[in-house]
Amino acid sequence: GAVVSQHPSWVICKSGTSVKIECRSLDFQATTMFWYRQFPKQSLMLMATSNEGSKATYEQGVEKDKFLINHASLTLSTLTVTSAHPEDSSFYICSAPLSSGISSTDTQYFGPGTRLTVL
Amino acid sequence: AQSVTQPDIHITVSEGASLELRCNYSYGATPYLFWYVQSPGQGLQLLLKYFSGDTLVQGIKGFEAEFKRSQSSFNLRKPSVHWSDAAEYFCAVALNTGGFKTIFGAGTRLFVKA
Repeated sequence: GAVVSQHPSWVICKSGTSVKIECRSLDFQATTMFWYRQFPKQSLMLMATSNEGSKATYEQGVEKDKFLINHASLTLSTLTVTSAHPEDSSFYICSAPLSSGISSTDTQYFGPGTRLTVL
Repeated sequence: AQSVTQPDIHITVSEGASLELRCNYSYGATPYLFWYVQSPGQGLQLLLKYFSGDTLVQGIKGFEAEFKRSQSSFNLRKPSVHWSDAAEYFCAVALNTGGFKTIFGAGTRLFVKA
């Protein structure tokens, strides 16, 4: 099946620094990718939709200047947490639909997630 | 507003016993429904999905789910649970709102006892 990878799998950083998380579709192209955030013992919350070659679409309440998303190629989307603070500590997960279009029938493939801890 | 509810935060089942995980959704149109499983250190894995047609959907690992429009439910079932099924299970609905968004339920943690 399709594979989505994330790097790093975990990262610890100091408060005030920026952290970049990569999401790659390894064996398929993805014009759209999605970024989720998952707090301990909670569900996944959609943060933003990453669009190749255009600006990301952020969900209500998500600060676009804090969570910078770049979708530079058909296989790579990056999420940069700028000026990270302890409350940004969370599990960040990306996903990509297999088809090139945007359809509710697309099956999404999820990355393994990135655990961010901000000290 | 669209939502997905999983009423059970956690469930404990004996190995070999049957399992049913509940899921209710709130969505005006015909929903596209999914069940995912998340094991520690691993990404979400799709168990099954319902788009249309037969309301009883078969998935991987022996799981099945039944879509009941009258009850706005999409419960996940397995006739005989294995210890390796212990994980977090998420019900989700995909929304066609000009883009593709997935709304997840809060999840149900399954514990399997010997």
